[in-house]
Amino acid sequence: AQSVTQLGSHVSVSEGALVLLRCNYSSSVPPYLFWYVQYPNQGLQLLLKYTTGATLVKGINGFEAEFKKSETSFHLTKPSAHMSDAAEYFCAVSLRGNQGGKLIFGQGTELSVKP
Amino acid sequence: DTGVSQDPRHKITKRGQNVTFRCDPISEHNRLYWYRQTLGQGPEFLTYFQNEAQLEKSRLLSDRFSAERPKGSFSTLEIQRTEQGDSAMYLCASSLTGIYYEQYFGPGTRLTVT
Repeated sequence: AQSVTQLGSHVSVSEGALVLLRCNYSSSVPPYLFWYVQYPNQGLQLLLKYTTGATLVKGINGFEAEFKKSETSFHLTKPSAHMSDAAEYFCAVSLRGNQGGKLIFGQGTELSVKP
Repeated sequence: DTGVSQDPRHKITKRGQNVTFRCDPISEHNRLYWYRQTLGQGPEFLTYFQNEAQLEKSRLLSDRFSAERPKGSFSTLEIQRTEQGDSAMYLCASSLTGIYYEQYFGPGTRLTVT
């Protein structure tokens, strides 16, 4: 069965510092991989996704993530944090093929940005 | 593009009452998903439709839960005889088929059962 583990339920960084949010997955075959962001009392917004091809994926708002098959990881990074990045971040996977595309989410990482 | 909409945004109900939520997907999307999110957790898959056919249901979806998508457009999620454990955010998402399953989420309906 597929699962997603996000290391660290809370991450705090200073404005301008590097953001690193960790995600590891468990799957018999490499799945599709996603990062979503959720602001308070709102739905989820897609930041970026990996499906095939280049393993370094660039997303919106300056975020990027690298798929490392050998490490079964898909960590999210941003070189310089901004106050507006404070939110909940979710890593998710879905199965390739005709499996309906349901997403399996990690538990989330709350990012705080200090001035 | 009006995005995915959900109604109501908030619902407070007493234990034992029935509630119904509505989701309107992006118009050209033929897949529609329901997820449930409890406080401090990631969303959990409940069920999904391709057009009007309900193709998968999670074991989380007890007999008190029923979902429909009668004409392949909007969907409803009904919870009968609500329990306090049903308190959660109910999220709807929609997607096209075959576009690497990218899902667009609505703002959610927050249910509080008292």
